[in-house]
Amino acid sequence: SAVISQKPSRDICQRGTSLTIQCQVDSQVTMMFWYRQQPGQSLTLIATANQGSEATYESGFVIDKFPISRPNLTFSTLTVSNMSPEDSSIYLCSVASGTGAQETQYFGPGTRLLVL
Amino acid sequence: GENVEQHPSTLSVQEGDSAVIKCTYSDSASNYFPWYKQELGKRPQLIIDIRSNVGEKKDQRIAVTLNKTAKHFSLHITETQPEDSAVYFCAASTDKLIFGTGTRLQVFP
Repeated sequence: SAVISQKPSRDICQRGTSLTIQCQVDSQVTMMFWYRQQPGQSLTLIATANQGSEATYESGFVIDKFPISRPNLTFSTLTVSNMSPEDSSIYLCSVASGTGAQETQYFGPGTRLLVL
Repeated sequence: GENVEQHPSTLSVQEGDSAVIKCTYSDSASNYFPWYKQELGKRPQLIIDIRSNVGEKKDQRIAVTLNKTAKHFSLHITETQPEDSAVYFCAASTDKLIFGTGTRLQVFP
């Protein structure tokens, strides 16, 4: 399985500021995703990070709030912009590894964000 | 889009008993159904998955069944142990995973 790292692991931020989260994978992967997990809740897909093109956002998430970069097949960033306390959450990077019938999805360790 | 419902939200069992968690999905095009275990403060870990061309899959004490006609799938854990205590998430996928709401499983010694 792919080894996924995220930076930072946690942060405390002031409202109105922005935070960029990095996701690094140890091998080239086609699909990378960003999820949000609010305290005690399930995982909600924010967007699919597409290499070489704009990310594909899910309903309720917009590029101005969550800009995403995917410069190559092993790296992606998610920015949480103009933060409010409601953005306090765990943000998880995920990758699809393997091919065809062997493809599975793995998660990074997450970034715990607290907005004051 | 896809919608995944998961039941129960909490489940308490005695060590050695079996636990069953059920999920239903809405999109008949979904063809991949993984289950994740998430311990407190940790990332979700894939524990078993099943694809639409298979009705059942087993891995030691864990099994998953899929009924495509009814659009539901279930996780079965036999001979539960305290270390099975965690939150379990089901998911359904065509090209992206949509998660259920989670089940908090507690196994009492």
